[in-house]
Amino acid sequence: GESVGLHLPTLSVQEGDNSIINCAYSNSASDYFIWYKQESGKGPQFIIDIRSNMDKRQGQRVTVLLNKTVKHLSLQIAATQPGDSAVYFCAENRNSGAGSYQLTFGKGTKLSVIP
Amino acid sequence: KAGVTQTPRYLIKTRGQQVTLSCSPISGHRSVSWYQQTPGQGLQFLFEYFSETQRNKGNFPGRFSGRQFSNSRSEMNVSTLELGDSALYLCASSWKGETQYFGPGTRLLVL
Repeated sequence: GESVGLHLPTLSVQEGDNSIINCAYSNSASDYFIWYKQESGKGPQFIIDIRSNMDKRQGQRVTVLLNKTVKHLSLQIAATQPGDSAVYFCAENRNSGAGSYQLTFGKGTKLSVIP
Repeated sequence: KAGVTQTPRYLIKTRGQQVTLSCSPISGHRSVSWYQQTPGQGLQFLFEYFSETQRNKGNFPGRFSGRQFSNSRSEMNVSTLELGDSALYLCASSWKGETQYFGPGTRLLVL
């Protein structure tokens, strides 16, 4: 089965509010995670990443939190805008050996922003 | 810097045919990975190439193959197409394999 999963398949948020998207992983050895945003008809777009030696990382309007104790990730989007409407994936980036990395994706959370 | 490009963007094929998809990575990136995205299975890893060598392969049948050229451009081929191969095929590039950046994908429809 998948080692990375999402708690909620859909999330509706009022414009201007903060959004929180959650993700659980099962491999305690995982050390690198990436959040991607995928808009309709497009490929996944890199948002932010975090390594296991960090608990928190901030970008522009986004914050990723990593709780290794419970193997949980969250993506927080501040002041959500209509352009944030998309499907969000967390992905575990595993080193498969010989320098090769392989992304394992969760099923995704669809974020809908209500104007 | 230009992003990852994929051609063609859309393809319609019939069962039994074969198809070749192309990916040009971000300039300077040497690793190219391919993923299949379907509504039922989500995003699944196909294979990864680095310096013209396949370094890693996902759990797909041998009908799925790929290659990488000396300029890091990559192609993937699917032979003897089946209806279940209808999907969005995504290419991602990275410098050595870590942070991967995706192209827009090729949407394949098998009739």
